[in-house]
Amino acid sequence: AQKVTQAQTEISVVEKEDVTLDCVYETRDTTYYLFWYKQPPSGELVFLIRRNSFDEQNEISGRYSWNFQKSTSSFNFTITASQVVDSAVYFCALSAPGNQFYFGTGTSLTVIP
Amino acid sequence: NAGVTQTPKFRILKIGQSMTLQCAQDMNHNYMYWYRQDPGMGLKLIYYSVGAGITDKGEVPNGYNVSRSTTEDFPLRLELAAPSQTSVYFCASSGWGSSYEQYFGPGTRLTVT
Repeated sequence: AQKVTQAQTEISVVEKEDVTLDCVYETRDTTYYLFWYKQPPSGELVFLIRRNSFDEQNEISGRYSWNFQKSTSSFNFTITASQVVDSAVYFCALSAPGNQFYFGTGTSLTVIP
Repeated sequence: NAGVTQTPKFRILKIGQSMTLQCAQDMNHNYMYWYRQDPGMGLKLIYYSVGAGITDKGEVPNGYNVSRSTTEDFPLRLELAAPSQTSVYFCASSGWGSSYEQYFGPGTRLTVT
């Protein structure tokens, strides 16, 4: 069975602080894909990153970075020097070829100016 | 490209009424999905389609029906609306299935009273 757990329901940080959003997943597939999406207050879902199970290299994109560790079944997301515009709900998701997407329950991030 | 479009944006239904939520995409994607998002619950898959004429149930299909007569359109039908169907509904599409990112529409906020 596929499952994604985002244990942090809500996080508040002060602007310019770094923040890490945790994502732990469960799957029996050897080939699978992990995703992060951002849902700002306006409500749309914005794709951030896709990672396949064979690529454990960390990725950095500007102030965003992702740490994928198969040994702990985690795919954590770090925002460096947070900004007010980063305030949103962030979803982690898991899929395997031919299967559905499974979303976590989301982490609501508030960046306080 | 308009991407994924959904109509209406908001709707209030009385218990027992029926309605169709419209979804269209102009990216020539084969894969299309319907999700519902309840507060604090993440996104749950209702139905999905891997191409015109082919649909399948997701995690929470009861009370809904879909059809896919063209590549572009994937309407979701609610029959005999119930308060439990109060939710935000998102349509999404993907070019290559669940191994790749999905692109989401802006959502339809439905209230059943």
